[in-house]
Amino acid sequence: AAGVIQSPRHLIKEKRETATLKCYPIPRHDTVYWYQQGPGQDPQFLISFYEKMQSDKGSIPDRFSAQQFSDYHSELNMSSLELGDSALYFCASSHNRAGPYEQYFGPGTRLTVT
Amino acid sequence: AQKVTQAQTEISVVEKEDVTLDCVYETRDTTYYLFWYKQPPSGELVFLIRRNSFDEQNEISGRYSWNFQKSTSSFNFTITASQVVDSAVYFCALSEAPNSGNTPLVFGKGTRLSVIA
Repeated sequence: AAGVIQSPRHLIKEKRETATLKCYPIPRHDTVYWYQQGPGQDPQFLISFYEKMQSDKGSIPDRFSAQQFSDYHSELNMSSLELGDSALYFCASSHNRAGPYEQYFGPGTRLTVT
Repeated sequence: AQKVTQAQTEISVVEKEDVTLDCVYETRDTTYYLFWYKQPPSGELVFLIRRNSFDEQNEISGRYSWNFQKSTSSFNFTITASQVVDSAVYFCALSEAPNSGNTPLVFGKGTRLSVIA
């Protein structure tokens, strides 16, 4: 079965640089979520999109932005990177029009800011 | 406000022992979903189970079983006859039942399980 695809899997950036993470949801899933997991921490919700519109916003810094495109893939744009942005970034997708509402997670993008 | 508490930060057991991971949640909603995810050392989050608030039946899947008790707001996870491959961080999570169909997960801090051969 198709899973959530995230790219790149690993990314190394320097402070003050920008980064773009991509997420391709499971086919026919209409909702995408982004989570950030710092070292030794639990995943924290950043932002979500339902049918290409932002639906919920969590603890996403103003330096970050995201969008969902017409093909339902999503991108998380991160600017002015800081050392504290080093984390595992997960994308999850779900089918929320009909349920059930399991969120299936991608393998994550490990971002290292040096 | 939603909250998930996993009081056990780390647990270590010897292979073949049974182990129970505790999860206590708080929510003001009467309708909600509870989840367990496994995060092995490789880092991915693996979905294990979803339970809705109206279904208090316990569930068994192979060596895994879940005990949901609304009266104590708990959703505990038991691994029977643990194996080294069970070593991972286990997260309990809560999602309020969607009207619009999209609510984010609130995770507990996770329990790191180490199974020693």
